[in-house]
Amino acid sequence: ILNVEQSPQSLHVQEGDSTNFTCSFPSSNFYALHWYRWETAKSPEALFVMTLNGDEKKKGRISATLNTKEGYSYLYIKGSQPEDSATYLCAPKDLVTGGGNKLTFGTGTQLKVEL
Amino acid sequence: DVKVTQSSRYLVKRTGEKVFLECVQDMDHENMFWYRQDPGLGLRLIYFSYDVKMKEKGDIPEGYSVSREKKERFSLILESASTNQTSMYLCASSMSGRGTDTQYFGPGTRLTVL
Repeated sequence: ILNVEQSPQSLHVQEGDSTNFTCSFPSSNFYALHWYRWETAKSPEALFVMTLNGDEKKKGRISATLNTKEGYSYLYIKGSQPEDSATYLCAPKDLVTGGGNKLTFGTGTQLKVEL
Repeated sequence: DVKVTQSSRYLVKRTGEKVFLECVQDMDHENMFWYRQDPGLGLRLIYFSYDVKMKEKGDIPEGYSVSREKKERFSLILESASTNQTSMYLCASSMSGRGTDTQYFGPGTRLTVL
């Protein structure tokens, strides 16, 4: 089982604040990293899948960067809005644990954006 | 749009009962997954299937079995439910087994075992 750590565990910000959180994973045998957003009472939804060191992905006000050499990814949210309130999960995939696209999910960062 | 449906949103069962959780996807996906989610522990993989009648254990298979008789349907079976199986269960599917493939999740079943 991959060791995946996400920090912080939870975060409260005010509307309009920008925020970021971290996903750490083993750098050896890296293959891909997935980010998902999970809103309360809904299904987890894919945000990004990243594969290359230095990769940067963007979707609206949300962006993510990837450092495969040191084993971390940052997720940034610019100008947070209440609808960004959700748990953000990362899931790395390596080359050795096998199982196709079996993913190991982190415990997530729970973001609450207050008015 | 990919749609993954689960048979129940909420389920209450008694200790010792046999429990079936059903999942159906409508996009002809090869891979299907069952996870459970518990506070502080994140999503943990119970079993997955990469083809009809094919299955592999995930990280926490003890106390569970699965069945995939048709491509679109993946069932999770609790042979004899116990209170420590009270949890949120999520099903997911993906097009194939590539490590970059997105997993599409169902809405979850919150199971309470009394």
